[in-house]
Amino acid sequence: QQQVRQSPQSLTVWEGETAILNCSYENSAFDYFPWYQQFPGEGPALLIAIRSVSDKKEDGRFTIFFNKREKKLSLHITDSQPGDSATYFCAASGQGTGSKLSFGKGAKLTVSP
Amino acid sequence: GPKVLQIPSHQIIDMGQMVTLNCDPVSNHLYFYWYKQILGQQMEFLVNFYNGKVMEKSKLFKDQFSVERPDGSYFTLKIQPTALEDSAVYFCASSWGGASAETLYFGSGTRLTVL
Repeated sequence: QQQVRQSPQSLTVWEGETAILNCSYENSAFDYFPWYQQFPGEGPALLIAIRSVSDKKEDGRFTIFFNKREKKLSLHITDSQPGDSATYFCAASGQGTGSKLSFGKGAKLTVSP
Repeated sequence: GPKVLQIPSHQIIDMGQMVTLNCDPVSNHLYFYWYKQILGQQMEFLVNFYNGKVMEKSKLFKDQFSVERPDGSYFTLKIQPTALEDSAVYFCASSWGGASAETLYFGSGTRLTVL
């Protein structure tokens, strides 16, 4: 059972454009939603995270928009750069769901110069 | 930032052999995790470990799998015996608190190839 879903699976944008990656989840107990960035040959690294008490979290060019009612969130990357080309994983965890992160299948972002 | 080190980066073994994957977590972290990733796809939770004990394991954590962290040294994942379907990249992670409260820091992974 896929608890965290991501779309699209892959996305290509031009340098300077805004990339939007979507995520949805099933478990209402989830209250913590980190996004991880992974480059080939490396482990995932935390990019930005949001808790369910907030509807927006911003860090530089990266913004998470969160809709608790619809159980959806999205990662917006503004002014995309070629160095942003990576796979992005949406993840979730929460009190009572065990001390683990559940990951989506990932979205491969390519930023063309 | 904090680093999780995994040794080796690549391991090739014959089916049926035993393999031990080693992880050196961030020094003051208390929670430890193993994840499995096939072909650069989804990260699948295997197991987490706290205070010397397995807290939770998934159905992917077969009876052939075991974890330990003897004397606060490496956090290890042992597979005995290995099967072809165990071929994957295994990521170790650690955190100070539980995953719902704290950032998980991942290592670069060990690519396991079972022939």
